[in-house]
Amino acid sequence: GDSVTQMEGPVTLSEEAFLTINCTYTATGYPSLFWYVQYPGEGLQLLLKATKADDKGSNKGFEATYRKETTSFHLEKGSVQVSDSAVYFCALKDVRGSTLGRLYFGRGTQLTVWP
Amino acid sequence: DVKVTQSSRYLVKRTGEKVFLECVQDMDHENMFWYRQDPGLGLRLIYFSYDVKMKEKGDIPEGYSVSREKKERFSLILESASTNQTSMYLCASSLYQTSTDTQYFGPGTRLTVL
Repeated sequence: GDSVTQMEGPVTLSEEAFLTINCTYTATGYPSLFWYVQYPGEGLQLLLKATKADDKGSNKGFEATYRKETTSFHLEKGSVQVSDSAVYFCALKDVRGSTLGRLYFGRGTQLTVWP
Repeated sequence: DVKVTQSSRYLVKRTGEKVFLECVQDMDHENMFWYRQDPGLGLRLIYFSYDVKMKEKGDIPEGYSVSREKKERFSLILESASTNQTSMYLCASSLYQTSTDTQYFGPGTRLTVL
């Protein structure tokens, strides 16, 4: 079945460091891929998404490229800020069969950025 | 902007109590979802609904039921709360079932069962 595996945290970085959070997926169809972010005390909000192979999603300096050959969707940012401290979730959605458009989430990666 | 609201941010209940968690969305979305979030486990789908009075079980429906009498409102019911249901509960909604459609989340309800 469909599933998402993302790197375990926590990840601790200094401000302006480069960030990579790895995400790989297993899917039977042609899924769309998402990164959601959860700031402390809040619900999840969409960070970026990609709907087909080789698409690049980007937002707020974050990027992720949909790589079908490696079944990956790694999140990157060139220079993190303290305000990026949050939990990041990778997710996929595949509407084939009876999934009815549900999301499959990874376990989340806690990022802490120090000044 | 889409707004998904949940009735309580924090809730404390006793074991055996019947608990209602309410979720309302204001954008005429077809689909609504209930998740629970636990450290190290990520988000797990409890139930979802793609239409009024329709519901589908997710990955962990045991001990829960849902109700969707109106399009904008999706309720999660804990028939007899237990301590292992202490968790963060997140509601979400989306307009369609297409693969590109975005789910919008509420702020969550942190439930403690004593």
